[in-house]
Amino acid sequence: DAKTTQPNSMESNEEEPVHLPCNHSTISGTDYIHWYRQLPSQGPEYVIHGLTSNVNNRMASLAIAEDRKSSTLILHRATLRDAAVYYCILRKAYSGAGSYQLTFGKGTKLSVIP
Amino acid sequence: ETGVTQSPTHLIKTRGQQVTLRCSSQSGHNTVSWYQQALGQGPQFIFQYYREEENGRGNFPPRFSGLQFPNYSSELNVNALELDDSALYLCASSYPASPRGTQYFGPGTRLLVL
Repeated sequence: DAKTTQPNSMESNEEEPVHLPCNHSTISGTDYIHWYRQLPSQGPEYVIHGLTSNVNNRMASLAIAEDRKSSTLILHRATLRDAAVYYCILRKAYSGAGSYQLTFGKGTKLSVIP
Repeated sequence: ETGVTQSPTHLIKTRGQQVTLRCSSQSGHNTVSWYQQALGQGPQFIFQYYREEENGRGNFPPRFSGLQFPNYSSELNVNALELDDSALYLCASSYPASPRGTQYFGPGTRLLVL
């Protein structure tokens, strides 16, 4: 499976934008880029995903490099509730019965400073 | 709509014992995946059940086994517990035919093996 590389930790001030980087230089053409986050004492939750184009939803934006070898998760205004571990995951497109596993790395631990 | 629920929330066992963890999937989801998360690490895929059959397995020994029931709830059984089995066990449900294939995680069961 193609792997992702993320910084171990990052800090942000509250109400400022946060850019969380992810490198995936061995990404294949059928890999989607997914982001999940895990708040303290909770299971992971889906944040956003994309293939080639930049994506926006109510939680965040995903900026994907033109060569797809890196991406950036953007939180437009960090709040204390955004303090979590953020995981960047490559996932094959669904193409049959069953659902593909998620391969998690260690992720980036985001601390938000009041 | 009820989310993914897991029971129990915490469990303490001794080495050599057996344990059963339970998961109720989100309404309408026919696929359940189980993950093991050691302290400070990302979740690691154990196996997945789709329509009551195992549909993919990670690098875990046969003493990790599971079941999925007609209502799509699931059990994870671990025999001959070892100290290294101490971890947070996460269950995730999904509906694989959805384009996103998003997995929805429960809060986990924290297992301590003494």
